[in-house]
Amino acid sequence: EAGVTQFPSHSVIEKGQTVTLRCDPISGHDNLYWYRRVMGKEIKFLLHFVKESKQDESGMPNNRFLAERTGGTYSTLKVQPAELEDSGVYFCASSRGPFSSGNTIYFGEGSWLTVV
Amino acid sequence: ELKVEQNPLFLSMQEGKNYTIYCNYSTTSDRLYWYRQDPGKSLESLFVLLSNGAVKQEGRLMASLDTKARLSTLHITAAVHDLSATYFCAAETNFGNEKLTFGTGTRLTIIP
Repeated sequence: EAGVTQFPSHSVIEKGQTVTLRCDPISGHDNLYWYRRVMGKEIKFLLHFVKESKQDESGMPNNRFLAERTGGTYSTLKVQPAELEDSGVYFCASSRGPFSSGNTIYFGEGSWLTVV
Repeated sequence: ELKVEQNPLFLSMQEGKNYTIYCNYSTTSDRLYWYRQDPGKSLESLFVLLSNGAVKQEGRLMASLDTKARLSTLHITAAVHDLSATYFCAAETNFGNEKLTFGTGTRLTIIP
């Protein structure tokens, strides 16, 4: 069974440009999460999808970030325009059901974003 | 707002020694998670601790939870080089809201 896959693994863009990160969850996992770790900080929650619906987007830092999950399969996270402080690692995770109900949450390897 | 503090941030230890990583959290949280991350790899789930007094062990790693003290520990026994990694603890912000609050991580280096 394939794990959570993320693309690209690394991206270097200039300030003001746009970047789109993609996450393919494990097949059959309705719950999809985005987290990020900016340099020297903790890993922080961004948002949570159940199928194609956003259940919680309280962690999205500002309106330069847009997450979608059309059709309830893969998800994209777009940063537009990117700023220097957006540099970090963006993790995607998925679970079959709510992890608070005992379902295991699986993380991807992350997408490293560097804004210069 | 739930805060999770983890220490130490960096830990260098010799093979064969024992050590403990500490994870304190600021408000009530009934579930505590420990993850391991190797460089460039995903976060791998190690333990989920569900109740006060919970203790789980896997190989040379043992995790415990004291909800009254709001403290979890990850104890390493007779460390071996393969345990070198970054270890994160995380707590659920509020039970059932599907949001984890992570500590800063402990980068563990085992020296032969």
